[in-house]
Amino acid sequence: KAGVTQTPRYLIKTRGQQVTLSCSPISGHRSVSWYQQTPGQGLQFLFEYFSETQRNKGNFPGRFSGRQFSNSRSEMNVSTLELGDSALYLCASSARQGFNYGYTFGSGTRLTVV
Amino acid sequence: GDSVTQMEGPVTLSEEAFLTINCTYTATGYPSLFWYVQYPGEGLQLLLKATKADDKGSNKGFEATYRKETTSFHLEKGSVQVSDSAVYFCALSGSARQLTFGSGTQLTVLP
Repeated sequence: KAGVTQTPRYLIKTRGQQVTLSCSPISGHRSVSWYQQTPGQGLQFLFEYFSETQRNKGNFPGRFSGRQFSNSRSEMNVSTLELGDSALYLCASSARQGFNYGYTFGSGTRLTVV
Repeated sequence: GDSVTQMEGPVTLSEEAFLTINCTYTATGYPSLFWYVQYPGEGLQLLLKATKADDKGSNKGFEATYRKETTSFHLEKGSVQVSDSAVYFCALSGSARQLTFGSGTQLTVLP
């Protein structure tokens, strides 16, 4: 059974550009969540999608957005990149909404903003 | 709001030593508690979880008991191996309906 797949694994962008990250959940999983991991702030929740609807959102500026498609694949977009957006972005999926059911994480996309 | 306080690392142990990583939390209601592990260059893997008071989660020799009276969920293993070297994160899922993580504890096990 394939795990959570995130693409690309590594990305280098210039300040001011925008970027789109992709996440393919485990087959049959309908809930997808995104996290940002940095050395200074640790793991911070970005948003959660279930059945193509955003169900929960963390405390990030509007430059961070996401969406989920009918096949449960999700994309995350960051516009007007800042140096501080450099981070490991992790996607996690679950069959049901709610973290009590155990989320499976992908290996992440390492974004570097220069 | 919800928060998790984790024992600061790094922690260095010899193989077969006993491991304890402390974790305490602040949350309203009755959160679920988790331990995740992150190996170098990889994402997070769920190690164990407990969803109600006095539950004991266990996996791969690791254990943690949900203690509501002390708001704690300490991770223990009786005999660590070199392959256990990783970063360990304590986390909770509470009223905010998201995973709130501790800062992580780097564990290095020496042969």
